[in-house]
Amino acid sequence: RKEVEQDPGPFNVPEGATVAFNCTYSNSASQSFFWYRQDCRKEPKLLMSVYSSGNEDGRFTAQLNRASQYISLLIRDSKLSDSATYLCVVGGTTDSWGKLQFGAGTQVVVTP
Amino acid sequence: NAGVTQTPKFQVLKTGQSMTLQCAQDMNHNSMYWYRQDPGMGLRLIYYSASEGTTDKGEVPNGYNVSRLNKREFSLRLESAAPSQTSVYFCASSETAGGSKNIQYFGAGTRLSVL
Repeated sequence: RKEVEQDPGPFNVPEGATVAFNCTYSNSASQSFFWYRQDCRKEPKLLMSVYSSGNEDGRFTAQLNRASQYISLLIRDSKLSDSATYLCVVGGTTDSWGKLQFGAGTQVVVTP
Repeated sequence: NAGVTQTPKFQVLKTGQSMTLQCAQDMNHNSMYWYRQDPGMGLRLIYYSASEGTTDKGEVPNGYNVSRLNKREFSLRLESAAPSQTSVYFCASSETAGGSKNIQYFGAGTRLSVL
């Protein structure tokens, strides 16, 4: 079983709509959670960290559910520029401090 | 404003050839990482260096070696390239190897093909 699992998509979203997707992780001792964004053939870039209480950054909202071991990302008022692959990243257990586990990504395609 | 710089950007090798991928960061980060990314798979950690002078194996270290040359530079060497090493390689760095300061910043990647 993969340590971090994501629905690969693609999620086809009309411009202006809301899209949400989850990621599940297997190690209950994980301490740090992130969403990264990766454009085609480019490097991953940090979108946002995910905090226990949930957090928002503009049109993006991230939630963490430790009991069910998943994190979610919601994008409101989708823009064409939001088209990308979103990587779920989990890490920071005491026996693998510093090592991050990356999901394979969820592809989002925003259409006009 | 360079961040993490990787060279080369593209490389084609024949089976059995060797090469070194270079990585340098100018953010004064302590920790550096090498990953590979293959289609349909998440980034997989090859080697990492939590601090200058230390290196450790990641998930997929076989066929690779690394050198943390100084605080800025972390190189990845393929001694005898194999077709299975065709991939996109990313170098990353973070302020520290743990906690909230483990946000990793990535270089633009090296696209390697082994024929």
